[in-house]
Amino acid sequence: DQQVKQNSPSLSVQEGRISILNCDYTNSMFDYFLWYKKYPAEGPTFLISISSIKDKNEDGRFTVFLNKSAKHLSLHIVPSQPGDSAVYFCAASAWHDYKLSFGAGTTVTVRA
Amino acid sequence: EAQVTQNPRYLITVTGKKLTVTCSQNMNHEYMSWYRQDPGLGLRQIYYSMNVEVTDKGDVPEGYKVSRKEKRNFPLILESPSPNQTSLYFCASSAGETQYFGPGTRLLVL
Repeated sequence: DQQVKQNSPSLSVQEGRISILNCDYTNSMFDYFLWYKKYPAEGPTFLISISSIKDKNEDGRFTVFLNKSAKHLSLHIVPSQPGDSAVYFCAASAWHDYKLSFGAGTTVTVRA
Repeated sequence: EAQVTQNPRYLITVTGKKLTVTCSQNMNHEYMSWYRQDPGLGLRQIYYSMNVEVTDKGDVPEGYKVSRKEKRNFPLILESPSPNQTSLYFCASSAGETQYFGPGTRLLVL
């Protein structure tokens, strides 16, 4: 039973526009959330994270929003660039638990 | 350069032939973990280790073994591989909540 769900397997967006990736979770013990980016033939790399005491975290073009009451988070990429084409995984962990639960991933394609 | 390395990167084997996938990290991390990635399922944890000689099962441990005799190494052992273990495997290490992943090992069991 997947505790982290990414319901959109793919997303296509034009270069320069906003990409919005969504993630839902079911475990109320999760209090730390991460986004990983994965290129083909490489391992996932950490992108951005947010703890449950915040509702927004920004890092350059990337912003993660957390809605704890809805058990929902989203990743915004503005503006989208061709190098952003990758698979994005949402992950979550509970306090002091190093174990990560991952979603199935969303493949983002940025069109020129 | 801080990194997690895995070997081999690609492996084709036959059912029942024991194999080991090595994982090594140079960041002095205490926590290490193995995941498998399958289409539509994301990454699922197989085993993890909090420190030397301390290992525990993740979500999908059946058919796998691990050992942690040194801090830097965390090999994944398939004693008798089966076709349902065909997958993409990732090793990861961490000193906090952010995990650093190796490049992956693609395994095909015939």
